[in-house]
Amino acid sequence: QLQLQESGPGLVKPSETLSLICSVSGGSVSNRNYFWGWIRQPPGKGLEWIATVDYSGSPYYNPSLRSRVTISVDTSKNQFSLKLGSVTAADTAVYFCARLDCTTTSCHAFFDAFDMWGQGTTVIVSS
Amino acid sequence: QLVLTQSPSASASLGASVRLTCTLSGAHSNYPIAWHQQQPLKGPRFLMRLTHDGTHIKGDGISDRFSGSSSGAERYLTISSLQSEDEADYYCQTWGTGIHVFGGGTKVTVL
Repeated sequence: QLQLQESGPGLVKPSETLSLICSVSGGSVSNRNYFWGWIRQPPGKGLEWIATVDYSGSPYYNPSLRSRVTISVDTSKNQFSLKLGSVTAADTAVYFCARLDCTTTSCHAFFDAFDMWGQGTTVIVSS
Repeated sequence: QLVLTQSPSASASLGASVRLTCTLSGAHSNYPIAWHQQQPLKGPRFLMRLTHDGTHIKGDGISDRFSGSSSGAERYLTISSLQSEDEADYYCQTWGTGIHVFGGGTKVTVL
């Protein structure tokens, strides 16, 4: 059974870079049937997509965050990561990693549903 | 612009049924969506993928009490025989070329 586990510092100072890792077990980030993504949820609010990466490392970004975000995949460690620069209090949120199911779709042409989620990790931006 | 609209809240009595609606922006009325459930203090859980013709494929272990249907730009999630553990936030998600979009979520209260 696939499991996704987020990890990273719970507290980040304003203007610094937030770095998170999603460790994948029970499956491989190299599997061409899946892409991998990050989604966040500010306190009391809804879900916001941040970025998605394919098995070869090709990234896709939310246009509203593109200038500050980097997503990458590390096949040797079977994990993928997120970096968000120049953080402010507005970046305080629970950050989730998730798997994108591309078994019936060519996700390079058109994405599909997130079908597995991690439990989330809370990041607070504060000095 | 690809947008999903959900009502903020819904409620129904224990054992009753409730239908949630997710509305696609007009130019995208034939897009598929996914429904996700988020119980309090938990990560989201994929419920199903739902196409414009009402075909839905559920995630592993999802109860038969959850079903999906479609009409035009509207996508529905029906929860039957409501149980206390169904009290949660429900989000719809859609996608395009290199983009994902989430609806604002519907909070379901079991009375």
